[in-house]
Amino acid sequence: AQKVTQAQTEISVVEKEDVTLDCVYETRDTTYYLFWYKQPPSGELVFLIRRNSFDEQNEISGRYSWNFQKSTSSFNFTITASQVVDSAVYFCALSDNTGFQKLVFGTGTRLLVSP
Amino acid sequence: NAGVTQTPKFRVLKTGQSMTLLCAQDMNHEYMYWYRQDPGMGLRLIHYSVGEGTTAKGEVPDGYNVSRLKKQNFLLGLESAAPSQTSVYFCASSYPSAGLGGYTFGSGTRLTVV
Repeated sequence: AQKVTQAQTEISVVEKEDVTLDCVYETRDTTYYLFWYKQPPSGELVFLIRRNSFDEQNEISGRYSWNFQKSTSSFNFTITASQVVDSAVYFCALSDNTGFQKLVFGTGTRLLVSP
Repeated sequence: NAGVTQTPKFRVLKTGQSMTLLCAQDMNHEYMYWYRQDPGMGLRLIHYSVGEGTTAKGEVPDGYNVSRLKKQNFLLGLESAAPSQTSVYFCASSYPSAGLGGYTFGSGTRLTVV
């Protein structure tokens, strides 16, 4: 069975600090996709990134970066120079290999960035 | 470009009442999903549909029924609401190929069963 673990329930940082959100996954599939979503206080779910299992290159998008390591089954998310607007709940998710794109979500990490 | 629209946004039900949540998408997506979000549990899949007229059970289907009579609409029904169904419900849609991107989510429906 597939599983996503986000061990960090809540993280508090001060603005401009760097912060890393951990995601560890379990799957027997060789082909799969990993996702990160952001849920700001307003409640909507915002897609951040998708990574397929064959692409282990790290990705950077502005202040956001993602580190995918198949050897440790991890897909960690780093925010550099955090800002108050980054305060949100962040979800890591894993799709199965059935082709139906059903997602298994982690329990989320709440990030609080204070000024 | 509305994306995925969920109605209603909020609802309070009494135990035993029934209701239907509507999800409508205008992106011509084949796949649609219903998830529920509960504190400390992330999102869990209730039911999903891979095309008009087809539905399938997800991880937590008990107490819910769904229908997809039209490609753009995916309805979630609660026949006899229970307090355990108090949750935030999210609808999502996607293309068949995961390579085309992640889900598009609706804004959610907050349901309270008293």
